[in-house]
Amino acid sequence: SYELTQPPSVSVSPGQTASITCSGDKLGDKYACWYQQKPGQSPVLVIYQDTKRPSGIPERFSGSNSGNTATLTIRGTQAMDEADYYCQAWDSSTGVFGGGTKVTVL
Amino acid sequence: EVQLVQSGAEVKKPGESLKISCKGSGYSFTNFWIGWVRQMPGKGLEWMGIVYPGDSDSSRYSPSFQGQVTISADESISTAYLQWSSLKASDTAMYYCAVGARRDYFDYWGQGTLVTVSS
Repeated sequence: SYELTQPPSVSVSPGQTASITCSGDKLGDKYACWYQQKPGQSPVLVIYQDTKRPSGIPERFSGSNSGNTATLTIRGTQAMDEADYYCQAWDSSTGVFGGGTKVTVL
Repeated sequence: EVQLVQSGAEVKKPGESLKISCKGSGYSFTNFWIGWVRQMPGKGLEWMGIVYPGDSDSSRYSPSFQGQVTISADESISTAYLQWSSLKASDTAMYYCAVGARRDYFDYWGQGTLVTVSS
């Protein structure tokens, strides 16, 4: 079955840029999306179809997808961005999530 | 405003059956895919399956959940269901319903239903 691999954790200083990667075989040939989940809350979609931001998601969130890697970038990271982030893609008529990345804003 | 309201927490014994629900409002229920996601305690998200309301042949399951659960939807009451015929302790988790205009991402999420299976 298809697998998506994310780093377990990423640390970033306030105001700096955080990059979270998601790797999978030929992931660039599929659409990737990203969710943010804060403790005790339901996930929130922050990027879909590789690069699109839903209404209400700040411009500091952006996405890219090429080759075997999709990347979520958070520019000007704020304390409120501290959360778990999950990538997701669709393969062989089923969805799959990455293992999640905990973003810590130090 | 899109809202997905899930049924309340459940405490069940191994071997028991269970059906949890997710009622949608604020959007056209039959025009969105609706799916279920598991999150075991302290763990990540797991994609379980998805269905397009009004098209029973549309259901798709992750190989990990195929045959273990059944996903359905009743468009007449804008409600989706996730059901088990025989629960295991390992089914203890938070279960989220979520909807998407396309099947490959979820735009909106419910608040989650905590299922605890313990003897």
